[in-house]
Amino acid sequence: GDSVTQMEGPVTLSEEAFLTINCTYTATGYPSLFWYVQYPGEGLQLLLKATKADDKGSNKGFEATYRKETTSFHLEKGSVQVSDSAVYFCALGSYSNYQLIWGAGTKLIIKP
Amino acid sequence: DGGITQSPKYLFRKEGQNVTLSCEQNLNHDAMYWYRQDPGQGLRLIYYSQIVNDFQKGDIAEGYSVSREKKESFPLTVTSAQKNPTAFYLCASSPGGGRYEQYFGPGTRLTVT
Repeated sequence: GDSVTQMEGPVTLSEEAFLTINCTYTATGYPSLFWYVQYPGEGLQLLLKATKADDKGSNKGFEATYRKETTSFHLEKGSVQVSDSAVYFCALGSYSNYQLIWGAGTKLIIKP
Repeated sequence: DGGITQSPKYLFRKEGQNVTLSCEQNLNHDAMYWYRQDPGQGLRLIYYSQIVNDFQKGDIAEGYSVSREKKESFPLTVTSAQKNPTAFYLCASSPGGGRYEQYFGPGTRLTVT
């Protein structure tokens, strides 16, 4: 079945460091891919998405490119801030049941 | 302003009581979802509904019930049969029609003692 694998956290970085959070997937066909962010005590917010191979989603300085060859959708940011501290979830849209299949989440901690 | 509202933000109940969590959306979305999130954990799907008057069990439906009588509303009842109900509950909606992105409410933190 469809699945999403994210790198385990927590990921701890200093402010202004470069961020990569890895996400790989297994799915039939070419699903839509998503990154969500969850700040403490809040609901999830859609951060960015890509709907076909080679698409690049971007928002608030974050980027992710849909790589069909490596079945990956890694999240990147050039210079992180303390305010980026949150949990990040990767997800794919499953054709089999019209739902999102979720990764386990990666906690990001940014130190000043 | 379009969005999803969940109420209340915090809810406290005694063991053995049923409790209903509210979820309303004014996005005109067809699909709605309920997730459970335990501390430091990911999302687990409880129930979902693709259309009014129809809903399906998710991965952890035991001890929960839902209804979908209106497009805008998808209330979740946590029954006394749910063995471990204390958790953070998240409601989401999705446009449907081949679009998979889900939009979330702020969540309800339920504590049962």
